[in-house]
Amino acid sequence: VQLVESGGGLVKPGGSLRLTCVASGLTFSDDYMSWIRQPPGKGLEWITYISNSGIITYYADSVKGRFTISRDNAKNSVYLEMNSLRVDDTAVYYCARESYSGSFDVWGRGTLVTVSS
Amino acid sequence: DIQMTQSPSTLSASVGDTVSIACRASQSISTWLAWYQQAPGKAPKLLIYKASNLESGVPSRFSGSGSGTTFTLTISSLQSDDFVTYYCQQYNSYPWTFGQGTKVEVK
Repeated sequence: VQLVESGGGLVKPGGSLRLTCVASGLTFSDDYMSWIRQPPGKGLEWITYISNSGIITYYADSVKGRFTISRDNAKNSVYLEMNSLRVDDTAVYYCARESYSGSFDVWGRGTLVTVSS
Repeated sequence: DIQMTQSPSTLSASVGDTVSIACRASQSISTWLAWYQQAPGKAPKLLIYKASNLESGVPSRFSGSGSGTTFTLTISSLQSDDFVTYYCQQYNSYPWTFGQGTKVEVK
């Protein structure tokens, strides 16, 4: 069971970035997925969720209207499209499987996004 | 949003000690609470779900209790790998929220 994130990097304020999370060893089409981020040296912040079908999504207020979560079950992948990036979006971004009870039982290793001029 | 507050922020202990970390919710979350362990540079790892259920593969020295607004993570007989940071998380209602973390350090 593994989640692998990619797509992080350095981007200027106002720029865009797309993160990808590829799952293996899971019945991905049954799984609810979230993105969670962690600024350097700080705590964890849940930012978005997508249902197994992709029909239902939720966002934290801090990213609503700027970030979009999507998934492709045929590719065992979940995506995070990030627009209008700000300096305070700088963080390690983790994708995680949300268990049926709501806790996060599988995590990726994370990908670092740095927003700086 | 439901606010989660952990105490203490830092806890000093020795190998073999038993320690407890508190987590308080700003409103009742029943038992919709999880605990995670995070080592430096690593992803969080689920320890406890639904307040008191031990995740598969997690040592039995970890235990959780509580309901409503007050919860506790207890680590019995601290081992060297346990000196890391712990987070609580509520999943009663969106947005899911985490506590600010408790760092367990060597005394």
